Amino acid sequence: QKEVEQNSGPLSVPEGAIASLNCTYSDRGSQSFFWYRQYSGKSPELIMFIYSNGDKEDGRFTAQLNKASQYVSLLIRDSQPSDSATYLCAVGGGYSTLTFGKGTMLLVSP
Amino acid sequence: SQTIHQWPATLVQPVGSPLSLECTVEGTSNPNLYWYRQAAGRGLQLLFYSVGIGQISSEVPQNLSASRPQDRQFILSSKKLLLSDSGFYLCAWTPGSNQPQHFGDGTRLSIL
Repeated sequence: QKEVEQNSGPLSVPEGAIASLNCTYSDRGSQSFFWYRQYSGKSPELIMFIYSNGDKEDGRFTAQLNKASQYVSLLIRDSQPSDSATYLCAVGGGYSTLTFGKGTMLLVSP
Repeated sequence: SQTIHQWPATLVQPVGSPLSLECTVEGTSNPNLYWYRQAAGRGLQLLFYSVGIGQISSEVPQNLSASRPQDRQFILSSKKLLLSDSGFYLCAWTPGSNQPQHFGDGTRLSIL
């Protein structure tokens, strides 16, 4: 049984700060990793995906992957109140199925 | 561009009634399709996935079934709903292996 673990939070950061969201996974053979943002009552929205060890940057978002430690993180620079949401970490499996963590709630205060 | 449609957006059903939720994808062919459920305070649970017409894989034994009658149509059904079937049902698609999934707007199902 694949497992994806996230701290449920809430993670509270002031506006303009860096938010750091973390995720660990159990299947050492996993090859693809995804971060989704989910606003309350809405469906998940893809933020980032990463396949190789290291960092991948897209605007204010940076995904970090360390396969040896089975660890994925998402950094959000210059956090805005509009970033307040639940962030879901997902790990890819066969036929592009995803195993999701339960999510970390991020609160960005003005 | 590709779009995914789910309906209805909300649904209130009595216990024991049947269910049919539909999902369609536009702008692509032969997508992989997925049904998830998100219960209150819980994570997204994969229910079914399909890699082609008539091909359905079930991840969790339960009171639900899925069908894919056409390439871009995915249907979630139940003959008799249980209280435990309440939740937020999400359809997703991906063009292929290791590609990100994209979600529809979801159906919020309440069972009375």
